[in-house]
Amino acid sequence: AQSVTQPDIHITVSEGASLELRCNYSYGATPYLFWYVQSPGQGLQLLLKYFSGDTLVQGIKGFEAEFKRSQSSFNLRKPSVHWSDAAEYFCAAMDSNYQLIWGAGTKLIIKP
Amino acid sequence: DGGITQSPKYLFRKEGQNVTLSCEQNLNHDAMYWYRQDPGQGLRLIYYSQIVNDFQKGDIAEGYSVSREKKESFPLTVTSAQKNPTAFYLCASSTEQGEDGYTFGSGTRLTVV
Repeated sequence: AQSVTQPDIHITVSEGASLELRCNYSYGATPYLFWYVQSPGQGLQLLLKYFSGDTLVQGIKGFEAEFKRSQSSFNLRKPSVHWSDAAEYFCAAMDSNYQLIWGAGTKLIIKP
Repeated sequence: DGGITQSPKYLFRKEGQNVTLSCEQNLNHDAMYWYRQDPGQGLRLIYYSQIVNDFQKGDIAEGYSVSREKKESFPLTVTSAQKNPTAFYLCASSTEQGEDGYTFGSGTRLTVV
């Protein structure tokens, strides 16, 4: 069965430090891949998506993600985090029925 | 502006009552989805609909019902059969093939009192 794994439940980084959130997928072919962000009590907002082509994709709010086929990974990165980046981040992969398979989420905590 | 609207934002239900959560989109999306979110459990799919007058059960459909009489609307009814309905409910929509991902509403928090 297809699955998406986010190994880190929580991550704490200092404001201004770099960030990498991990995401691994289990799928035969290269799936469509997405990263979403959710602030407390809000809906999810799309940060970026990968379909094909360049393995480094740019998103909103200064985020980027790199697709690595050999590692079945799609990690989210940001060079310098701001306190406003504190939120929960979800990775998702689209299956052959156009349904999104979701990771469990990673909660990002920013230290001042 | 196009978007997806959920109402109400907060909803309180007495035990034994049915309640209906509203979800409306003006994005001309074919597909719509309902998710339930509990602390530490991520997103769990309740129901989805890919076309009008058709819908399918997701992973946790028991105790819920939906209808899709119009393309724009996908209301969710939480019935008295749902034993633990207190949760945050999210509605989403997408094109038929989901190439832009899902667009989400801002959610409804349901509390049983």
